[in-house]
Amino acid sequence: QKEVEQNSGPLSVPEGAIASLNCTYSDRGSQSFFWYRQYSGKSPELIMFIYSNGDKEDGRFTAQLNKASQYVSLLIRDSQPSDSATYLCAVTLSGGYQKVTFGTGTKLQVIP
Amino acid sequence: DAGVIQSPRHEVTEMGQEVTLRCKPISGHDYLFWYRQTMMRGLELLIYFNNNVPIDDSGMPEDRFSAKMPNASFSTLKIQPSEPRDSAVYFCASSFTGKDIQYFGAGTRLSVL
Repeated sequence: QKEVEQNSGPLSVPEGAIASLNCTYSDRGSQSFFWYRQYSGKSPELIMFIYSNGDKEDGRFTAQLNKASQYVSLLIRDSQPSDSATYLCAVTLSGGYQKVTFGTGTKLQVIP
Repeated sequence: DAGVIQSPRHEVTEMGQEVTLRCKPISGHDYLFWYRQTMMRGLELLIYFNNNVPIDDSGMPEDRFSAKMPNASFSTLKIQPSEPRDSAVYFCASSFTGKDIQYFGAGTRLSVL
């Protein structure tokens, strides 16, 4: 079992819709959770981080964490074509402070 | 701040040659990470340093790869000899104690022919 798993996609949504990206992790002691956005040919860019169970909102983005289910999600409201990118879920595993493990990413396509 | 700076941006070399990638972390950051990204394997952590000391090099694929951090503002990743399967994008990232958010450089695209 991979430490951080994501559906590779592509996930296609129409412009203005809600995009829902999901991630599961295997280490129950994981402490920190991140979502990075990576445009083609560019470097990963942090868009959200969450440490506690529940929801965290920042503009059009909402990160959701459920530690009991070992599940992290990212919702993008009012999706725009500029949101088209690969979204990487990243997790700091227990015992490895600062050492982050990345999922392979979900490619999101927002159709105008 | 200029962010994490990597050089070169692109490197094309022939099999068997030595390749050196360079990274300057964000000033004040005490953690530095080297990653490799390929389509097949995604983003893989190769090695990371804390206060210039290597902490975990378990991701380094083999002895052909080595990394150094002689001071707080400079690190190198060296591949000797290089092989075609080393072709990938190599990213450097940095962070600081107490904040586990990593900031990435623009990456070096390596092609080994």
